[in-house]
Amino acid sequence: DIQMTQSPSSVSASVGDTVTITCRASQGISSWLAWYQQKPGMAPKLLIYATSKLQSGVPSRFSGSGSGTDFILTIRSLQPEDFATYSCQQANSFPYTFGQGTKLEIK
Amino acid sequence: EVQLVESGGGLVKPGGSLRLSCAASGFTFSDAWMSWARQAPGKGLEWVGRIKSEAEGGTTYYAPPVKGRFTISRDESKNTLYLQLNSLKTEDTAVYFCTREGVGRTFDIWGQGTMVSVSS
Repeated sequence: DIQMTQSPSSVSASVGDTVTITCRASQGISSWLAWYQQKPGMAPKLLIYATSKLQSGVPSRFSGSGSGTDFILTIRSLQPEDFATYSCQQANSFPYTFGQGTKLEIK
Repeated sequence: EVQLVESGGGLVKPGGSLRLSCAASGFTFSDAWMSWARQAPGKGLEWVGRIKSEAEGGTTYYAPPVKGRFTISRDESKNTLYLQLNSLKTEDTAVYFCTREGVGRTFDIWGQGTMVSVSS
């Protein structure tokens, strides 16, 4: 199985800040990487697929980059509604696997 | 409105069984590849398995921890996805989500989840 490791596990930031979250795969996954946002008690929401493609309706302050084993989610100009947990997911091979999540908290 | 609604969760003893359902609406269910994912309390997401459309053979794939114990099926006349959980273990305790596999092999529609608790 491909292991997905996110860092940091949690991060504190203020409204208006820029935050980056890293996801590392245990082996190359080409560009088969997605990012999800999840708020407490809610289902995940797809933000980015294929490393850098923005899902319809997702604000442009979210962006993704990377390839191979190292990937980054960047959130610019943080808004109050962005404080949530973010998870990456590899779709290169079965079983699909997720990172453990990064909790973005308000400073 | 595009929607997935899960049902069937509950409390079950180790070794027991449960069947979860997921009712789909607002999109062409018969064309969709569907998956189940789960999230144990306070933990990250875990993909459980996937089923292709019936037109593409209804092929299923499972994550190793559930292979041989869980079965995914679908009834396209009812626009419903199922997850049969057998030989349940305490470590299967989680919220189970139904989800559609969309572009880029990612999950673009999610249900609200149904809780399965396995405890004696």
